[in-house]
This record gives sequence, C-alpha cells and structure tokens, in this order.
Amino acid sequence: QSVLTQPPSVSGAPGQRVTISCTGSSSNIGAGYDVHWYQQLPGTAPKLLIYGNNNRPSGVPDRFSGSKSGTSASLAITGLQAEDEADYYCQSYDSSLSGVPWLFGGGTKLTVL
Amino acid sequence: QVQLQESGPGLVKPSETLSLTCTVSGDSINSYYWSWIRQPPGKGLEWIGYIYYSGSTNYNPSLKSRVTISVDRSKNQFSLKLTSVTAADTAVYYCAKATGRQQLVHWGQGTLVTVSS
Repeated sequence: QSVLTQPPSVSGAPGQRVTISCTGSSSNIGAGYDVHWYQQLPGTAPKLLIYGNNNRPSGVPDRFSGSKSGTSASLAITGLQAEDEADYYCQSYDSSLSGVPWLFGGGTKLTVL
Repeated sequence: QVQLQESGPGLVKPSETLSLTCTVSGDSINSYYWSWIRQPPGKGLEWIGYIYYSGSTNYNPSLKSRVTISVDRSKNQFSLKLTSVTAADTAVYYCAKATGRQQLVHWGQGTLVTVSS
C-alpha cells in the first residue's frame, strides 16, 4: 500500500477539466518535499509531466498543471483530449526512518469518455 | 538526446540473481542520480533504489537486503543485481535518471523480467 494515496480512477469527457489528487503526510508532501507527476501511456515507459510541484518540462502542454497544499498535491488537466487517456503517478521524497525515501503514489487511471 | 537502454536476461529462475544493465548515451553518468524502478504486470511503480554520481547508494528498505546498484564509469553504465528472486519479482524493470529536484527526467523503455523455473 502506497504512502502517497491517489484515486484508482478518474474520468471525463473531451474538453472537460479533471483533477487527480495525491495525499501524503507530514513526512513527505507535508514536510515541504517536491511532488512530481508522471504520465504512462499504455505499453510505454512513464514520462515526466510536472516537476517541483508545478513546473512543466519543455514540450508538455500547458493544459497540464500541478499544485500543492499542506499534505496533498493535485494534477489538473484542462481541455481533456483522447490522447490523455493514461495512468498518472505522483512521486515525492519521504523522510521517515522506516519509510521508502522515494515514493510513488499507487497510480490513477484516466479514462476519456 | 539522452537515451537509456536496459539489457539483461528476460527469464530468471527462482532463488537465482537478477542482473540488469542500463547503458546511458547522450549524457555522462558522472552527474545526478541513476535509478531503478520496477512495475509488476498490471500494477503500479515501485522504486528500487539509486546510485548518486558520487557512488553513494540508497535502496528501498523492502528490497535493501537483496539489492545492489553499481556503476561502471568507463562504459557509462549502471547495473542492478537482485538476489534470491521469487515470482513476486516478476516485473518490467526501468532504469532512469533523476536530476536536481529528484525528478525522474529520462527513462529507459523498460525490460520485462519473468521469474519462473
């Protein structure tokens, strides 16, 4: 069970806005550590989508945005497109002594209706 | 551009050692973090560990007793060894580079390793 909790699935119609949450704790997101987001299209390797909470790497459309507040972070996708259908993962650092230093969330499957 | 390519056996017998190599091109391994991540079929991502360019390592506590990550600077490669494997270690294994804020910027395409007799 991941220490970063994501909803297993979200869905939306083309053109709509969806958000994916990533809930952590005081030893990771709440401690101020960065949150990164990855997109994994079917059958491919994950791709960095958002880094440092709200920064987009070159080439990532501005339809994708990230935010962080307290012990949670969110990925927002506006103007939903069919090609956005994928699995999305959040990642952060955890400072607890018994925990996993680099954490992934359990992943969220986005379905475009 | 930066490319990472995993290589190694696709089938490993139970109780044996899984060995994979990641060859890096378009970048020097003498900077940042070089990491291994795995994904069991139909499941999520699991971080295995990383080696920092200085040579220091950090491993997932759940795998730490069985994992070694090393680097071969002369070949611009880094490697993963996982001992005493079981069927639970069957997964797609990815190598990746992480930069300053520990984001995984570049990923290999992944290689499926099946543990079976």
